[in-house]
Amino acid sequence: DIQMTQSPSTLSASVGDRVTITCRASQSLISWLAWYQQRPGKAPKLLIYKASSLESGVPSRFSGSGSGTEFTLTISSLQPDDFATYYCQQYNSYSRTFGQGTKVEIK
Amino acid sequence: EVHLVESGGGLVQPGGSLRLSCAASGFTFSSYWMTWVRQAPGKGLEWVANIKEDGREKNYVDSVKGRFTISRDNARNSLYLQMNSLRAEDTAVYYCARDRRGSYDYWGQGTLVTVSS
Repeated sequence: DIQMTQSPSTLSASVGDRVTITCRASQSLISWLAWYQQRPGKAPKLLIYKASSLESGVPSRFSGSGSGTEFTLTISSLQPDDFATYYCQQYNSYSRTFGQGTKVEIK
Repeated sequence: EVHLVESGGGLVQPGGSLRLSCAASGFTFSSYWMTWVRQAPGKGLEWVANIKEDGREKNYVDSVKGRFTISRDNARNSLYLQMNSLRAEDTAVYYCARDRRGSYDYWGQGTLVTVSS
């Protein structure tokens, strides 16, 4: 199975900060990677698919990059609504896996 | 508008069984793979199983193979997860999600399964 490792596990930041989260895969995903945001008590929300494609309705301050085994989610200017947990997910194989999550906290 | 509504969660004893359902509406259900994802209390997301549009292909995470069965009824726009031989570590919120070529664009609100004596 493909293992996904996110870093950092927790990130403290302020409103307006540029934030970067990294996701590494144990084998090449080509570009078959998605990013999700989850707020407490809510279902996850798709932000980015195919590594860098922005889901409809998602603010443009979110962006994704990378290919192969290393991927990045960037929030260009952190907003109050963005304090949440973020997950990467690979879909290069039919057995999908998620990263362990990165919690973005208020500094 | 796409809606996914899970049901069937609850408290069950270790070794027991439970069947989760997910009612879909607002899209052509038979045209999409569907997925179950779970989240243990305070933990991250874990992919559990998925099923092809026609139900002929199914995949499972290793920890549930032989105990859980995913199925669907396209005539009823419904997805199911039959869970047998339940263990304490299966305690989680279970979400159904629509699989759009690998990423999950719509999710239900989740249903809580608690395995405890």
